[in-house]
Amino acid sequence: AQRVTQPEKLLSVFKGAPVELKCNYSYSGSPELFWYVQYSRQRLQLLLRHISRESIKGFTADLNKGETSFHLKKPFAQEEDSAMYYCALRVKGNTGKLIFGQGTTLQVKP
Amino acid sequence: NAGVTQTPKFRVLKTGQSMTLLCAQDMNHEYMYWYRQDPGMGLRLIHYSVGEGTTAKGEVPDGYNVSRLKKQNFLLGLESAAPSQTSVYFCASSKAGTSGTYNEQFFGPGTRLTVL
Repeated sequence: AQRVTQPEKLLSVFKGAPVELKCNYSYSGSPELFWYVQYSRQRLQLLLRHISRESIKGFTADLNKGETSFHLKKPFAQEEDSAMYYCALRVKGNTGKLIFGQGTTLQVKP
Repeated sequence: NAGVTQTPKFRVLKTGQSMTLLCAQDMNHEYMYWYRQDPGMGLRLIHYSVGEGTTAKGEVPDGYNVSRLKKQNFLLGLESAAPSQTSVYFCASSKAGTSGTYNEQFFGPGTRLTVL
């Protein structure tokens, strides 16, 4: 079964602290994973995708196939990082469908 | 470009009433999706469409119907609303892709629906 799990509903850190948002997946084959973000009063938008191996707004995420994880990390959190973060897994086939995790709210305190 | 727009933004229904949510996109995207967002459940796919005139069921299709008569529009209907359908509904669209490529989904602002 294809599944995405984000174990933390809420992650609260202080400004300047490191952040790690956890994501685990269940998938047979080569997964394609993404992080989407929803800032307050804004639309859900793509943050990064694992195949790009890029850093966006200081965030990085590494696919660990052995641990079936795709955790999102940032060394120094900023207040503007406060948002809802969703991990997503692309479903096989040509439909573009995604399976989303439950979401984690990141709260960065001043 | 407006991107993906949703109408209405808010709606309150009584149990048993019907309504239609409209999603429109001006990016000439082939694929369109309807999700619902519930606390602790994340986003769950209701129905989707890979082209004009075609629709398919997603993860949670019961109680909903959809139509894609025009490429730019994707309608979500509730024939007989139930309190369990109280949620925030998001529409998204993307370019068509192949098995080897992924095209980003672009989301609308959401519709907050309350069923009493």
